[in-house]
Amino acid sequence: DAGVTQSPTHLIKTRGQQVTLRCSPISGHKSVSWYQQVLGQGPQFIFQYYEKEERGRGNFPDRFSARQFPNYSSELNVNALLLGDSALYLCASSLEGNSNQPQHFGDGTRLSIL
Amino acid sequence: AQSVAQPEDQVNVAEGNPLTVKCTYSVSGNPYLFWYVQYPNRGLQFLLKYITGDNLVKGSYGFEAEFNKSQTSFHLKKPSALVSDSALYFCAVTFTPDNAGNMLTFGGGTRLMVKP
Repeated sequence: DAGVTQSPTHLIKTRGQQVTLRCSPISGHKSVSWYQQVLGQGPQFIFQYYEKEERGRGNFPDRFSARQFPNYSSELNVNALLLGDSALYLCASSLEGNSNQPQHFGDGTRLSIL
Repeated sequence: AQSVAQPEDQVNVAEGNPLTVKCTYSVSGNPYLFWYVQYPNRGLQFLLKYITGDNLVKGSYGFEAEFNKSQTSFHLKKPSALVSDSALYFCAVTFTPDNAGNMLTFGGGTRLMVKP
């Protein structure tokens, strides 16, 4: 079975631009979460979506937004990119999005801001 | 607020020796605890979890972890390390009273180096 897939794998943008990252969860998983991992640090929670509804939001500015589609795939959008947005963006899926279920991660999108 | 501390940036161990990677946590209620491993240029792989029950939980690749409520710790262990275990290890905690939402809070990570 396919795991969590993310696209693109790498992306280079300049300051002020906008970016969209995509994620397809494991088949049958209804919850998708997004994390930002800055080099040398642990991942930081950005959003969780379940059944197309936002279920949680981390401490990120409004420049970050996301949505989930009827097929449970998800997009993360970041506007007005800053140098500090350079990071590995990880998508994770779980069956029902409850806290006692493990999340399964994709390999991430590495975003570099010039 | 919930938090996780991994006090060691790096752990060095010889192949065949036992290994321990330390993790302590802070939550306002009963925690759900997880260990993940990350290989270079890859995402995180789930190793094991503690939800409730037996304090010693077993996971993938021969890893296990011991939950200690009084010390608020969840240390990762393996009886005999392999060179292929060399990677970055993350401890994570979540706590949601109504079981809605699964925001994970991660520690800073511990790099495990297993030498032949």
